[in-house]
Amino acid sequence: GIQVEQSPPDLILQEGANSTLRCNFSDSVNNLQWFHQNPWGQLINLFYIPSGTKQNGRLSATTVATERYSLLYISSSQTTDSGVYFCAGRGNQAGTALIFGKGTTLSVSS
Amino acid sequence: GAVVSQHPSRVICKSGTSVKIECRSLDFQATTMFWYRQFPKKSLMLMATSNEGSKATYEQGVEKDKFLINHASLTLSTLTVTSAHPEDSSFYICSASRGASYNEQFFGPGTRLTVL
Repeated sequence: GIQVEQSPPDLILQEGANSTLRCNFSDSVNNLQWFHQNPWGQLINLFYIPSGTKQNGRLSATTVATERYSLLYISSSQTTDSGVYFCAGRGNQAGTALIFGKGTTLSVSS
Repeated sequence: GAVVSQHPSRVICKSGTSVKIECRSLDFQATTMFWYRQFPKKSLMLMATSNEGSKATYEQGVEKDKFLINHASLTLSTLTVTSAHPEDSSFYICSASRGASYNEQFFGPGTRLTVL
């Protein structure tokens, strides 16, 4: 199966700062998703982005499938952005599951 | 968006008992569902792929006799932890995708299992 690596593992920011989270995957993927896990454990879908660029408010994501990486941008960070961000990819075989990276723990202080 | 529910959200049981966790896709049909396990401050580990009407496919190292999976309908998959022990205590999360296998996956809210 594919391997998913995320960086950095931890990120500490002041409120208002911008940040970039990176996800590298070892093989071609046909599904790439970014999640935010809230304090109760619920995974919130941020982006479904196997390729291209998408934006949703202060968040945007870009996946360069040919180079096997994806980036999540957070602009003007707020304390409510704190938490763990996961990326997960799925290989090309039908019916296979999403494989998760180890996550980036983001702490935003006021 | 698509909604996936899990029940119960939290369960505490005694060692040796069995616990059943339900995963339902509320507004779509899911031919395939997935079960994950998460330890504190760790990533999600895939346990098994649940296929409607057929046997589940387990990941290497996951005991199929310990973690029984039944995908009885297109909207329901169950995970039964048999003869639970304290080391089975964990956060269990299911997911499902609409339509084709490559579509976006949606996750349930998780079930926190504590075995005393």
